[in-house]
Amino acid sequence: GAGVSQSPSNKVTEKGKDVELRCDPISGHTALYWYRQSLGQGLEFLIYFQGNSAPDKSGLPSDRFSAERTGGSVSTLTIQRTQQEDSAVYLCASSLAQRGEQFFGPGTRLTVL
Amino acid sequence: EDQVTQSPEALRLQEGESSSLNCSYTVSGLRGLFWYRQDPGKGPEFLFTLYSAGEEKEKERLKATLTKKESFLHITAPKPEDSATYLCAVQAGGSSNTGKLIFGQGTTLQVKP
Repeated sequence: GAGVSQSPSNKVTEKGKDVELRCDPISGHTALYWYRQSLGQGLEFLIYFQGNSAPDKSGLPSDRFSAERTGGSVSTLTIQRTQQEDSAVYLCASSLAQRGEQFFGPGTRLTVL
Repeated sequence: EDQVTQSPEALRLQEGESSSLNCSYTVSGLRGLFWYRQDPGKGPEFLFTLYSAGEEKEKERLKATLTKKESFLHITAPKPEDSATYLCAVQAGGSSNTGKLIFGQGTTLQVKP
């Protein structure tokens, strides 16, 4: 079946603008994660959704970052008033359950000028 | 604090030259240890999950092992197509943990023909 898909694959924006990144998880996967991979940094956790439970937002670096998951499927990560330090690859992953292998999408490369 | 350290940062091998990658971890109750492969410009690709000390898993030229403090990814007779960055991640246990993965910095492997 289809894997995790993300859009856009690349996004270039100007400092101060808002951006939205989209993730379509694998059908039937109830858990969805967002991670960020910066140059020279490992992958860092941002936010987690599981079914109808309250999301775990403990990894969001500032209040400029937010995410939602509609209908238990598609998720959108929003970054408001982007800064140059937000430049990174944003990766989405999904898993069948909370305790399970996570399968990653191809990522969205965000460049803030 | 949960932490993952991978070594070496980079590894160059000749085709057919076997070696091992190390992943040392400290975690408050290990739920699982995961190995991923990441090619440039792509998302991480799932390889293995290990759950308890003594467990081993194999896939083609790769074999992953786990102890209470570290995991090894053994590569036997590697080929140029095995060149990639290999990522190790842990998932902490406990009911309050949401399944997020804590990643190491990765080992970049280059296999020369």
